[in-house]
Amino acid sequence: QKEVEQNSGPLSVPEGAIASLNCTYSDRGSQSFFWYRQYSGKSPELIMSIYSNGDKEDGRFTAQLNKASQYVSLLIRDSQPSDSATYLCAVNMNTGGFKTIFGAGTRLFVKA
Amino acid sequence: DAGVIQSPRHEVTEMGQEVTLRCKPISGHDYLFWYRQTMMRGLELLIYFNNNVPIDDSGMPEDRFSAKMPNASFSTLKIQPSEPRDSAVYFCASSWDNRGTEAFFGQGTRLTVV
Repeated sequence: QKEVEQNSGPLSVPEGAIASLNCTYSDRGSQSFFWYRQYSGKSPELIMSIYSNGDKEDGRFTAQLNKASQYVSLLIRDSQPSDSATYLCAVNMNTGGFKTIFGAGTRLFVKA
Repeated sequence: DAGVIQSPRHEVTEMGQEVTLRCKPISGHDYLFWYRQTMMRGLELLIYFNNNVPIDDSGMPEDRFSAKMPNASFSTLKIQPSEPRDSAVYFCASSWDNRGTEAFFGQGTRLTVV
């Protein structure tokens, strides 16, 4: 099992719809979780971090964490074409020292 | 602050040549990370430093790869000799800690080994 797993997509949604991105992780002791957005040819940039079970909202973005299920998700409401990018799930794990491990990313396309 | 600065942005080299990638982290950040990104393997952590000291290099693929951080404002990743399978985008990132804070990424170096 990979340490951080994501569906590679592509995920295609119409403009104005909700995009739902999912991620599972292997280390039950993980405490810090992040969503990065990466536009084509650019570097990753942080859009959300979450540390406690439940939901965390920031504008059109909501991160959801369920540690019992080892599952973290990102919802993007009112999706815009400018949201088209690859979304990377990242989990800080203690694997003989703390490291942030990235998933392979999910490509999102928002159709105008 | 200008953010994490990497150089060069693009590098094309012949197989067998030495390649050196450079990184200047954000001032005040105690942690520096080197990542490699490919389509097949995604974003992989190669090595990270805390206060200029290498902490975990378990992600370095082979002895051909080496990294140094001689001071708080400069780090290098060297590949010698380079091989075509080293072709990737190499990112440097820095952060205040290694647990719960954001890592800021540089613009990356796109390496092509022919």
